[in-house]
Amino acid sequence: GAGVSQSPSNKVTEKGKDVELRCDPISGHTALYWYRQSLGQGLEFLIYFQGNSAPDKSGLPSDRFSAERTGGSVSTLTIQRTQQEDSAVYLCASSPPGTAYEQYFGPGTRLTVT
Amino acid sequence: QKEVEQNSGPLSVPEGAIASLNCTYSDRGSQSFFWYRQYSGKSPELIMSIYSNGDKEDGRFTAQLNKASQYVSLLIRDSQPSDSATYLCAVNMGRGTSYDKVIFGPGTSLSVIP
Repeated sequence: GAGVSQSPSNKVTEKGKDVELRCDPISGHTALYWYRQSLGQGLEFLIYFQGNSAPDKSGLPSDRFSAERTGGSVSTLTIQRTQQEDSAVYLCASSPPGTAYEQYFGPGTRLTVT
Repeated sequence: QKEVEQNSGPLSVPEGAIASLNCTYSDRGSQSFFWYRQYSGKSPELIMSIYSNGDKEDGRFTAQLNKASQYVSLLIRDSQPSDSATYLCAVNMGRGTSYDKVIFGPGTSLSVIP
């Protein structure tokens, strides 16, 4: 079946602009996660959605970052007033119910802020 | 102490040998443990999950869990050059909050030498 998809695959933006990154989870998956990975670094947790529960936003690095998940499916991560330090690969993952958090990752969006 | 620790490597093994990747975690309440493989420039891919003490085998991969020692490992038998990647250990901390957070280790880089 179809995996997690993310768009765009690459995004180059100027410092100060806003960007939106999209994630389509695997159909039927109830949990959705956003991570950030800078070059040569590990995964940095950003935000987690589980069904209709309030999201866990504890990983968002600043109030410039926000995310929403509409209809329990598609999610959008928005970064306002982008900074050069926001340059990274943004990864989305989803988990089916009852799998104790086995995560399936999308291909990522590479964001470059110039 | 970091929550999930791994040797960063690089770990180099000759083709056909056994590669042993190790991971320790800090939270004794952790319930679920995962190994992901990440090729350079790609997103992480789930390869093993383990939930109870002992060994779990899947093809050339064996995951080993020792909760008393807070230790989880991944053995790769008959290592192939195609196994060269970064291996991420992930642990579900099971803290009983709204998000039982999955924490990723920094990853171990494995190089299989032909």
